Parts: sequence; structure tokens; C-alpha cells
Amino acid sequence: AQSVAQPEDQVNVAEGNPLTVKCTYSVSGNPYLFWYVQYPNRGLQFLLKYITGDNLVKGSYGFEAEFNKSQTSFHLKKPSALVSDSALYFCAVRDYGQNFVFGPGTRLSVLP
Amino acid sequence: NAGVMQNPRHLVRRRGQEARLRCSPMKGHSHVYWYRQLPEEGLKFMVYLQKENIIDESGMPKERFSAEFPKEGPSILRIQQVVRGDSAAYFCASSPPRGMNTEAFFGQGTRLTVV
Repeated sequence: AQSVAQPEDQVNVAEGNPLTVKCTYSVSGNPYLFWYVQYPNRGLQFLLKYITGDNLVKGSYGFEAEFNKSQTSFHLKKPSALVSDSALYFCAVRDYGQNFVFGPGTRLSVLP
Repeated sequence: NAGVMQNPRHLVRRRGQEARLRCSPMKGHSHVYWYRQLPEEGLKFMVYLQKENIIDESGMPKERFSAEFPKEGPSILRIQQVVRGDSAAYFCASSPPRGMNTEAFFGQGTRLTVV
């Protein structure tokens, strides 16, 4: 069965510093990986996805993610964090049944 | 192309009443997913439907909960005889009929409060 782990419940980073939100996955076969962000009282917004090709994927709002097959990881990154990036971030994998399996989420706090 | 529409946005029910949550997927999307989220917690998968079919309902409680996605009209998540523990945000997502490489698009959610 497919699964996703986000080992950190909370990540704190100072504004202007680089940020990383970690995600590891377990799949059989090729992984289809996604990152979503959720702001308070809102639905999830799609940020980026990895299907195939370059291991570095660029997405919305300056975010990018690095796919690492040997480490089965798909960490979300941004070179310079903004206070407005503070939100809940979810990593997801799509399984062959076409369902989306989400990680438990990581709360990012960017401190001014 | 309107996004995924959920209504109502907020729903208050007394214990024992029924709650009906509606989800209209994006145009052209035939896959619908329902998730539940408790405050400050992650998403819990409930059910995955395609038009007129339930594909995976492994996350649905065995009693009181049901879901449908008819040929015409929105997907409905129905909770009978609600209890306080059903209070949560319920999110619907949709995706196109083909391809593993497409993302799911989420609605804004329905916040159910059971009093």
C-alpha cells in the first residue's frame, strides 16, 4: 500500500531564510507525488507535482521540490521564506487505484 | 471553469438530525474524493467515487455515513443521526477521468457543527 510520512509536525523558520518541509513516501512502482498548502479555514491548494523527468520541480509562489528516488523523499523547499508562507503543508502520493494518499501535514511558521 | 463547489459552507445540526453535504466537481471531472479534517489535524480519507460507482470507501464509518455520485448532479455525503463527534470540516476534491499525472482540485469545504 502507498503511504506518505511527514516527520515534522511543525517547522519554524525566520523570514528571509530558506525553508524545507520534509516528505518521504512508500510506493510500489513509479511515484506520482504532490504538494498542497492549506491556509486557515480554506481548502487545499495545489503547489506542485512530480510525475517524471527532472528531479527538481518548480511550482507556485516560488516553491520547489526535490525528488530523490534513492531516499524515497520529496522535500518541499523555498530559498527565502515569507511570513505569508505560514500555513499547513501536505505531501501526497497517488496510488494505482487513483486515490490520493495524504501525509499528516506539517505546520510551517515563518517568524518576522 | 468554476472550481470545485461545496455547499453549504457552514452547516449546523442538532444531535440526531441528518446532514447532507454537496460537492459539484470541476467541469469534465468524473472522480470525486471526500476527506474529513478535525481542527489542527490532517486529512482523513473517507471515500472515492466515480460517476455512479463507489471505488474505495475504506475510510467511511460503517454506520450512518453514505456517499453517492449520480450520473447527473453533485456528489452527496450523507450523515444520518449526527453526533457531536461528527463535527469537522469535510472537503471534497475532484480530478479528470484519465491519467495518474493530474492533481486533485479541492473545494473550500463544509464545516459541520453538531450541537
